[in-house]
Amino acid sequence: QVQLVESGGGLVKPGGSLRLSCAASGFTFSDYYMSWIRQAPGKGLEWVSYISSSGSTIYYADSVKGRFTISRDNAKNSLYLQMNSLRAEDTAVYYCARAVPGPFFDYWGQGTLVTVSS
Amino acid sequence: EIVLTQSPGTLSLSPGERATLSCRASQSVSSSYLAWYQQKPGQAPRLLIYGASSRATGIPDRFSGSGSGTDFTLTISRLEPEDFAVYYCQQYGSSPQLTFGGGTKVEIK
Repeated sequence: QVQLVESGGGLVKPGGSLRLSCAASGFTFSDYYMSWIRQAPGKGLEWVSYISSSGSTIYYADSVKGRFTISRDNAKNSLYLQMNSLRAEDTAVYYCARAVPGPFFDYWGQGTLVTVSS
Repeated sequence: EIVLTQSPGTLSLSPGERATLSCRASQSVSSSYLAWYQQKPGQAPRLLIYGASSRATGIPDRFSGSGSGTDFTLTISRLEPEDFAVYYCQQYGSSPQLTFGGGTKVEIK
């Protein structure tokens, strides 16, 4: 069965950096676009970024462009999100999701919490 | 950017009742590229509907989606206890910029 397991969240100071990882299993990872979506505490969902199956096409939300970098390693069935220059408003649960052509998202991980606070 | 407005913010209903949730877009969503998700407390969202009206794998037929252009609806024909949750719509017609609605909470009356 499809499994997506995020890791790497935690407490970081404003201006700091963090790298999130998502380990995928149960499907052919290299066949799928993948995405990061976040949810601030008590708030709705916000799309962050997605990456094509080969990694050659990448898009970001305007709110993170220039600060976050999405990448993938198909040999390791893993997705990453490098987050730099973090701000308090980046505090959220970050979900890794499998993207279906559109894209929309048919499988989600359980999320990892990132807290940006001094 | 297409802004999605969901209404009502909260829907208070009893099990067995019909739920009608609205998602309105600030501009037309091309090709009805709209999805619906369900999220329960402490859980990740789950895909319910894509392409405005196609049910995802394993989704019961009491869930149905309809609409086109700027107005979309998610209907739950008879609420089961496990259906009380928050529901989000998402458009992917203006990819690569994807947007979600603010959510509708369906609570037990």
